[in-house]
Amino acid sequence: AQKITQTQPGMFVQEKEAVTLDCTYDTSDQSYGLFWYKQPSSGEMIFLIYQGSYDEQNATEGRYSLNFQKARKSANLVISASQLGDSAMYFCAMRSLAGGTSYGKLTFGQGTILTVHP
Amino acid sequence: NAGVTQTPKFRILKIGQSMTLQCTQDMNHNYMYWYRQDPGMGLKLIYYSVGAGITDKGEVPNGYNVSRSTTEDFPLRLELAAPSQTSVYFCASSAGDGNQPQHFGDGTRLSIL
Repeated sequence: AQKITQTQPGMFVQEKEAVTLDCTYDTSDQSYGLFWYKQPSSGEMIFLIYQGSYDEQNATEGRYSLNFQKARKSANLVISASQLGDSAMYFCAMRSLAGGTSYGKLTFGQGTILTVHP
Repeated sequence: NAGVTQTPKFRILKIGQSMTLQCTQDMNHNYMYWYRQDPGMGLKLIYYSVGAGITDKGEVPNGYNVSRSTTEDFPLRLELAAPSQTSVYFCASSAGDGNQPQHFGDGTRLSIL
């Protein structure tokens, strides 16, 4: 079974500063993928960034980067130069890439609410 | 390009009523999913489908049914609605089960009273 843990119910950051949102995971699979999604107050789910378990480099997408530490089973999201529009709920999710019966199912964490102050 | 479209956006049901949440995607994705999101929580998988005619249960399937007669459509049926089914329902699709992200619809907010 897979499990995602996001231990920060809420985080606050000053505009233009960087912030790290924590995500730890538990899986017995050797091949897996980690995703981060953003959910603004309007409710839609927006894909941000992906990291594969065999990727040698940490993923980056614009202001988003993923601090992937495989041995510690952590996949923290780093948002640089925070903007007011970054205020939202952020979800970490995992997918097994081992094939079999996983069929691409995502397991989500409980989320972290990020508030960016001006 | 519409992506994943869910209807309705909001609905109020009485206990014991039934309804179908509609989901359609225009990206020709084989994989489709239904999730529910309870207040302040992450998403939990209800049902999923890997192609037309193939569906399977997720983490919380009780009280729901699905069908997948076409690649585009993946409706979710609630039979005998119960207050515990009050939630926001998200439909998603993806091109595959690897590194491709799931694309989500805007959600259906459902209240059972």
